[in-house]
This record gives sequence, structure tokens and C-alpha cells, in this order.
Amino acid sequence: ETGVTQTPRHLVMGMTNKKSLKCEQHLGHNAMYWYKQSAKKPLELMFVYSLEERVENNSVPSRFSPECPNSSHLFLHLHTLQPEDSALYLCASSQESSTGTANTGELFFGEGSRLTVL
Amino acid sequence: QKEVEQDPGPLSVPEGAIVSLNCTYSNSAFQYFMWYRQYSRKGPELLMYTYSSGNKEDGRFTAQVDKSSKYISLFIRDSQPSDSATYLCAMAGGKLIFGQGTELSVKP
Repeated sequence: ETGVTQTPRHLVMGMTNKKSLKCEQHLGHNAMYWYKQSAKKPLELMFVYSLEERVENNSVPSRFSPECPNSSHLFLHLHTLQPEDSALYLCASSQESSTGTANTGELFFGEGSRLTVL
Repeated sequence: QKEVEQDPGPLSVPEGAIVSLNCTYSNSAFQYFMWYRQYSRKGPELLMYTYSSGNKEDGRFTAQVDKSSKYISLFIRDSQPSDSATYLCAMAGGKLIFGQGTELSVKP
């Protein structure tokens, strides 16, 4: 496989369920990201992992819990979500410079996991 | 004021038309300017990448950056139905900010 792979592609869950989204990148990158995409709104950065260490957490509610066991895998654990959390969740990866978070904007995205919370 | 403003559209044009997509921004720290294309039910993919002011051409696509006006554009010549997608501008300079995307439909 190549690129960034996300599973599942679609997920329907109740507000009391616990589920996880998975992302795997085959590009040898050293940074991974979770974004939330809602209709008619800009992409919202949720979490950034650089060299498996979380470097950014944009005031995301604790019902979203990320995990990055290694540089190729990223998870987003979901529990007690709200209907307004329904959205497309995108994983992305990039290669950061050796000096740190250069973030030149060259991200490689997966196809996303479409989440519906009932 | 939003850091990046992008007209969400939708924009509908006939095949063969020249398309102009635009974004304005307010943060002078942005140095890298990108256009991502997102097809329906897919993730965004990087389409064009420019650094600082000027033009960059790639086939039918031209990206233009005017830092003095804080304005970037993407031009699509001879538009095709396969260009129908949402186009997201993005800017980076310490942080990466996306516009909300413009939905483009090219009718045969």
C-alpha cells in the first residue's frame, strides 16, 4: 500500500459508544495530524504528532483521545460523542525539517473517516 | 477577521471556461501558499505550491501570489468536467491555515 490509509471509511455510533479511527502512513514521514472537516467550514486542526510526540492539541474536547504508537500509525479514540461531532475526520502526514516544526504546508491526506453520531 | 477568506461558491462554469479561484489573508507571516483539490468523498490532495510572490504554472493550472495585497489566486484554463471538485487554499508560516474551500462544477 502507498500513501495514507484511514479506516473505517464510514462510522455510525451512538452517543454512549466507544470507537476508534485508525490511520497508517506508508510515506516514511515523521509527523502525523488529525483534522476535522465540517460542511462549509475550514479544516480544523485537532492534533499533531511529531516523532511520536504530541506537539499540538487545539483545545479539543477530552471525548477525543489521540494515540501515536509509532511514526506510521495514528489513532483517534472516540467516546461519549455529541451529534455536533458528526464530520469527516482526516488524517495527514508530512516530513518535517530537522530544525523542528517547519510546517511548510505540504500535507498528504488520507481519504477520511465519515463519522455520524446519532 | 478570519486569517484566510475564501468564497465558498458554489461556482458553476461550462467546459472550456477559464476559472479563477481566490483567497485573501491577513497574516503577513505567511510565506508558503498552497492549493489543495478535494474530490467528493476523498481527502484533499496538494495541487499547487508556491513560495512568496509571483506566478507558478503547471499545465492548465496557474497559481498567483501577491503578498503586497495579501491575495492569492488559482487559474484553471480550458476547464474540464474532471476539474469539478472543492479547491482549498492554504497558507503556512509558523502555522498552517486553510480556507473553507470553493466548490467548483464544470458542466460538459
